[in-house]
Amino acid sequence: QKEVEQNSGPLSVPEGAIASLNCTYSDRGSQSFFWYRQYSGKSPELIMFIYSNGDKEDGRFTAQLNKASQYVSLLIRDSQPSDSATYLCAVNMINNDMRFGAGTRLTVKP
Amino acid sequence: SAVISQKPSRDICQRGTSLTIQCQVDSQVTMMFWYRQQPGQSLTLIATANQGSEATYESGFVIDKFPISRPNLTFSTLTVSNLSPEDSSIYLCSVEATSGGLYQETQYFGPGTRLLVL
Repeated sequence: QKEVEQNSGPLSVPEGAIASLNCTYSDRGSQSFFWYRQYSGKSPELIMFIYSNGDKEDGRFTAQLNKASQYVSLLIRDSQPSDSATYLCAVNMINNDMRFGAGTRLTVKP
Repeated sequence: SAVISQKPSRDICQRGTSLTIQCQVDSQVTMMFWYRQQPGQSLTLIATANQGSEATYESGFVIDKFPISRPNLTFSTLTVSNLSPEDSSIYLCSVEATSGGLYQETQYFGPGTRLLVL
């Protein structure tokens, strides 16, 4: 089992819809979780982080964490074409190593 | 967050030569990391570089091929030696730092170095 798993996509949603990106992790002791956005040809940039079970909202982005299910997700409301990118889930493992998922490619169609 | 620069931003190299990539941070950081990202793929960690100690390499990466220096808390270099076309990739450095609202450190990435080996 990979340490951090994401559906590679591509995920295609129409403009204005909600995009839902999912991530599961194997280390039950993991404490912190991050979402990065990577535009084509650019380096990853941090967009959200979450530590506690439940939802965390930041503008159009909502991160959801369920430690019992070892599941973290990112919802993007009112998706815009500018949200088209690859989204990387990252998990800080119990040994403090950070592991990245393979990324989900999102396309928002006008 | 940290401001990170990398040099060169891109290069085209001949097979058998070496390329040294520099990573400069605007603040002192303990942990620096080097990643490789091949086209359409995710990040692969090459090694972790701490100042004052030898780099720690991930499985599949060796010091002879990817020597790393970390002379101080704001700078590191990665050399990719004896280049082959399979080394064509984007190489990214990252640093561990805190940002406003974070009680735990996370990683911030430099802009990357695009390497093409002919």
